[in-house]
Amino acid sequence: QKEVEQNSGPLSVPEGAIASLNCTYSDRGSQSFFWYRQYSGKSPELIMSIYSNGDKEDGRFTAQLNKASQYVSLLIRDSQPSDSATYLCAVYRRGYSTLTFGKGTMLLVSP
Amino acid sequence: GAGVSQTPSNKVTEKGKYVELRCDPISGHTALYWYRQSLGQGPEFLIYFQGTGAADDSGLPNDRFFAVRPEGSVSTLKIQRTERGDSAVYLCASSLGEGKFFGPGTRLTVL
Repeated sequence: QKEVEQNSGPLSVPEGAIASLNCTYSDRGSQSFFWYRQYSGKSPELIMSIYSNGDKEDGRFTAQLNKASQYVSLLIRDSQPSDSATYLCAVYRRGYSTLTFGKGTMLLVSP
Repeated sequence: GAGVSQTPSNKVTEKGKYVELRCDPISGHTALYWYRQSLGQGPEFLIYFQGTGAADDSGLPNDRFFAVRPEGSVSTLKIQRTERGDSAVYLCASSLGEGKFFGPGTRLTVL
């Protein structure tokens, strides 16, 4: 079982819809969770971090964390074509000094 | 500088050659990370520096890979006897805390 799992997609949504991106992780001791956005040919850009159970909102983005079920999700409201990118889930695991990334989910927002 | 910079942006080399990839982190960031990203995959951890010392080099795939950060700022990733399987985008990131800021990457192609 991979440490951080994401559906590779693509996830296709129409403009204005809510995009829901999901991530599961295997280490129950994981402490911190991050979502990165990566445009094609570019480097990952940090968009959200979440540390405790529940929801965290930042503009059109909402991160959700459920440690009991070991999943973290990212909701993007009012999706725009400019949101089309690969979204990487990253986890800080207990005892490790760095982030472990999933493979990423490609999101396509059609006008 | 305003962000993490990496040089060169692209490097094409022949199998068996030696290459050096440079990373200039955000000023004041004590932590520096090297990742490698292959097509369709998330970033894969290579090595982490805290100051001048390599705090965790567990991600280096073999002894052909080596990295230094002699003055606690700029870092160089060195790859000896390159192989075609080394072809990837090499990403550098720096941080003060858990959120990491990535540079634009160096695309290495080994022919």
